[in-house]
Amino acid sequence: DGGITQSPKYLFRKEGQNVTLSCEQNLNHDAMYWYRQDPGQGLRLIYYSQIVNDFQKGDIAEGYSVSREKKESFPLTVTSAQKNPTAFYLCASSQTGSISYNEQFFGPGTRLTVL
Amino acid sequence: GQQVMQIPQYQHVQEGEDFTTYCNSSTTLSNIQWYKQRPGGHPVFLIQLVKSGEVKKQKRLTFQFGEAKKNSSLHITATQTTDVGTYFCAGRSGNTGKLIFGQGTTLQVKP
Repeated sequence: DGGITQSPKYLFRKEGQNVTLSCEQNLNHDAMYWYRQDPGQGLRLIYYSQIVNDFQKGDIAEGYSVSREKKESFPLTVTSAQKNPTAFYLCASSQTGSISYNEQFFGPGTRLTVL
Repeated sequence: GQQVMQIPQYQHVQEGEDFTTYCNSSTTLSNIQWYKQRPGGHPVFLIQLVKSGEVKKQKRLTFQFGEAKKNSSLHITATQTTDVGTYFCAGRSGNTGKLIFGQGTTLQVKP
C-alpha cells in the first residue's frame, strides 16, 4: 500500500527542546516538501528537496532544519530557535519531470504543541 | 515575493446552492493546482490547469485558468454536504517543484 507516513500524529514538547518529525514515502518520488499550516493562513513552505542529499529553504525556514540522506525519508527538526512552533506540520512528495511537476501527495500530518 | 491570494476565506451555503472560490497571483503562473482538505484531514489533489483559458470539469466542479495565467476559479454547482472542507489553490511559476498556496476557502454546507 503506497503512500506517505508521518509520525507521530500528535506531539507535545516543552519550550526550548528540539523535536524531529518523521516523514517516509514509498512512492519512489524524487521531491519531498515540508509545510506548516496555521488557522486561516493556508500552507507555508518550510523546506523542499528535489533529490537526495540536496534541499532548499522555503518561505519560512528559520528555526527549522532538514536532511535528505535517503530518497524515502525527509525528517524535519523544529529547533528551539523557532519562536512559535505550535502548528500542524504536513509532509508531501511528488514526481519530477522535464515538463512540469505532478500533484503533491500529502501525509496525514503531525500536530505539534509546545508547552 | 510571489503571492497567491484566495477569496473568500469562509463561505456558508445552503445545500443545493452554488459556490465559487477565486484565486489571484501577483505573477504569471506556469500552472495551478487545486486541493481539498476535509476537516481534520490532509490536502488531497483535485486537478491541475496548465493552458491559458483552460476549463476543466469534474462532475459538479468546474475549474478555470485565466487567459493571463494569473487567476483561477473553482465553481461547485448544487453543493452537497460531502463538499464541506477547505479548498486551496496552489500556483507554480517557473520550472521548480515549489508551489505557493493560497490561504484557502473553507466551505460549510447546511443541510
